[in-house]
Amino acid sequence: QMQVVQSGAEVKKTGSSVKVSCKTSGYTFIYHYLHWVRQAPGQALEWMGWITLFNGDTNYAQQFQDRVTITRDRSMSTAYMELSSLRSEDTAMYFCALGPPTARYFQHWGQGTLVTVSS
Amino acid sequence: QSVLTQPPSVSGAPGQRVTVSCTGSSSNIGADYDVHWYQQLPGTAPKLLIYGNTNRPSGVPDRFSGSKSGTSASLAITGLQTEDEADYYCQSYDDSLSGWVFGEGTKLTVL
Repeated sequence: QMQVVQSGAEVKKTGSSVKVSCKTSGYTFIYHYLHWVRQAPGQALEWMGWITLFNGDTNYAQQFQDRVTITRDRSMSTAYMELSSLRSEDTAMYFCALGPPTARYFQHWGQGTLVTVSS
Repeated sequence: QSVLTQPPSVSGAPGQRVTVSCTGSSSNIGADYDVHWYQQLPGTAPKLLIYGNTNRPSGVPDRFSGSKSGTSASLAITGLQTEDEADYYCQSYDDSLSGWVFGEGTKLTVL
C-alpha cells in the first residue's frame, strides 16, 4: 500500500529555520518528482519546488529560491524541505506530494505538516 | 494573487450539476499545458480528482469530469452529493514562472 508520511507539527521563532521530512513507501517512486506545496490558513495552495529521488536534482519556485532547500535520502526514500529566515507569513500547512516523471501533476499527497512561526 | 483564476464559490442543490471554471493565459493553459483538478475536504490534504484535462484516477466517480479549451478549463460535477462539499483547485504549469501553478480555489456548497 502506497504511503506518504510527513513529520509532525513544528513551532518556530521568527528568523529561525524549519526542516520537514516526507517518507514514501509501498511503491517504487524512485523516478517520481517529490514536490513541496504549502497552504497558509484560509489561502490557496502554493508550489515551492521539487526533488527527484533518483539523482537529487532540484527545482525551486522563484519566490522561495533564496530560502528553501530540498534534499533527499535515497536509501530511506525520504525527502526533506528546509525553509530558512522564517517570518510570520510562513505559518502554513506544508504538504509533500509525488508527481509522475512524465506529467506535471501531484498524484499522492502526504498528510501535511503544520509549521507555526511566532516571535 | 494566483496565476489561474477561479470563482471563489459555487453552490447547488443535491442532485444538481455545477461547474467550476479556471481561466489562465498564454503562458500556462494557453501554452497547451494540461490542467489538473484537486478536491480538498475540510482539514485534509488535497486529493487528485482529474489529471491531463479529462482523466479520472481510479476510484473517482464518473460524476466528476474535466474539459479544456483555449486558455480555460472547467470541472463539472453532476448528481451533487453532500459529501462533495469541499474546496476545488485547478493546477497547471506556467512557462514565464517556470513552475507549477494553482488556482485560487473554489468552495463548493451543497445547499
